[in-house]
Amino acid sequence: SQQGEEDPQALSIQEGENATMNCSYKTSINNLQWYRQNSGRGLVHLILIRSNEREKHSGRLRVTLDTSKKSSSLLITASRAADTASYFCAPNQAGTALIFGKGTTLSVSS
Amino acid sequence: NAGVMQNPRHLVRRRGQEARLRCSPMKGHSHVYWYRQLPEEGLKFMVYLQKENIIDESGMPKERFSAEFPKEGPSILRIQQVVRGDSAAYFCASSPPGDWEKLFFGSGTQLSVL
Repeated sequence: SQQGEEDPQALSIQEGENATMNCSYKTSINNLQWYRQNSGRGLVHLILIRSNEREKHSGRLRVTLDTSKKSSSLLITASRAADTASYFCAPNQAGTALIFGKGTTLSVSS
Repeated sequence: NAGVMQNPRHLVRRRGQEARLRCSPMKGHSHVYWYRQLPEEGLKFMVYLQKENIIDESGMPKERFSAEFPKEGPSILRIQQVVRGDSAAYFCASSPPGDWEKLFFGSGTQLSVL
């Protein structure tokens, strides 16, 4: 198992703006996942991108993966106040438990 | 299909007591994971279990902590002789057989040690 490191630690934007979060990791992976955590709640799976994929979309979410740089980014377009949460990446190797970093705390103000 | 159920939602214990946290995975899920989260921190992996087997316990403290996932019934995380430093939110997650990649999380148990 390995832990991803999210950057920045905190991000504050206005509604309607885009939010970009980055994730770096150290060794080869099978896939990389992004999760969201609202305050006091469990994590919710957002999107999974496999090591042979470069970009993936899901609604207002866009994830990229650069395996040569061992990095990923999560873009949330046209953000809403409801997007306020902490976001975690989890680089995943086969058969191992997911390890989470400290996350990026996103605040979207109206 | 109900989600991952954790109980109790809040648990208060005095130092030296035992804490038992329960997790019922989603129907059909045979993999269970326990994580601990301190305030302002990310989730720390503790243990990964399949039915009746511990697969990875590399994140479990060596003493006072144990976990089980019996053939029947929920997974149990047991903390003996709790100390103030055990106060945290404990989250359980599950995944189905053959699709270990995506985790479904419960709402957590907030343990407070007085």
